Amino acid sequence: GENVEQHPSTLSVQEGDSAVIKCTYSDSASNYFPWYKQELGKRPQLIIDIRSNVGEKKDQRIAVTLNKTAKHFSLHITETQPEDSAVYFCAASKGGNDMRFGAGTRLTVKP
Amino acid sequence: KAGVTQTPRYLIKTRGQQVTLSCSPISGHRSVSWYQQTPGQGLQFLFEYFSETQRNKGNFPGRFSGRQFSNSRSEMNVSTLELGDSALYLCASSSEGGSTIYFGEGSWLTVV
Repeated sequence: GENVEQHPSTLSVQEGDSAVIKCTYSDSASNYFPWYKQELGKRPQLIIDIRSNVGEKKDQRIAVTLNKTAKHFSLHITETQPEDSAVYFCAASKGGNDMRFGAGTRLTVKP
Repeated sequence: KAGVTQTPRYLIKTRGQQVTLSCSPISGHRSVSWYQQTPGQGLQFLFEYFSETQRNKGNFPGRFSGRQFSNSRSEMNVSTLELGDSALYLCASSSEGGSTIYFGEGSWLTVV
């Protein structure tokens, strides 16, 4: 089955700096790659997603890139703010809703 | 539009007991999936239901089961509870043909 690896497990940046989180997946049939943000005690919330027919997608300070050949995708957050502090999860699926998630990255943005 | 609703939010059970968790999806969503979240194992896929049929299943023992009703509401059941079943159980729903899933607040289960 699909295996998603996520790095780093923790990331600490200074406010205003950029943060990059990377994921790799194993199943070449996966075609949908969402990113979720989970604040302490809350539900995971979708922040951005990308499909396999697209190489990059941006939404304000957040961008995701996908390299299908290498089977990896990355989340980029620019101009980080303290409210970006949370756990971020990447996931991969083959179009159904059986998402396979990475282990998560705890991002801390220091003011 | 109301979001995904899960009940109960918190519960404590004793080893050996069984538990049933309920999930009401977003109106119009016919797919419901369940995930277990623990600090050590992250978010793990349990199963997905679509139109009252289990469509996908993760690598969990048979003690974990689920079902979906004609109104798309879903329940999951865990029998013979073990201490290791203590976790946040998240339900998510999505529309037909869509891949974006939306999570509920989750049910916190503690097994003592």
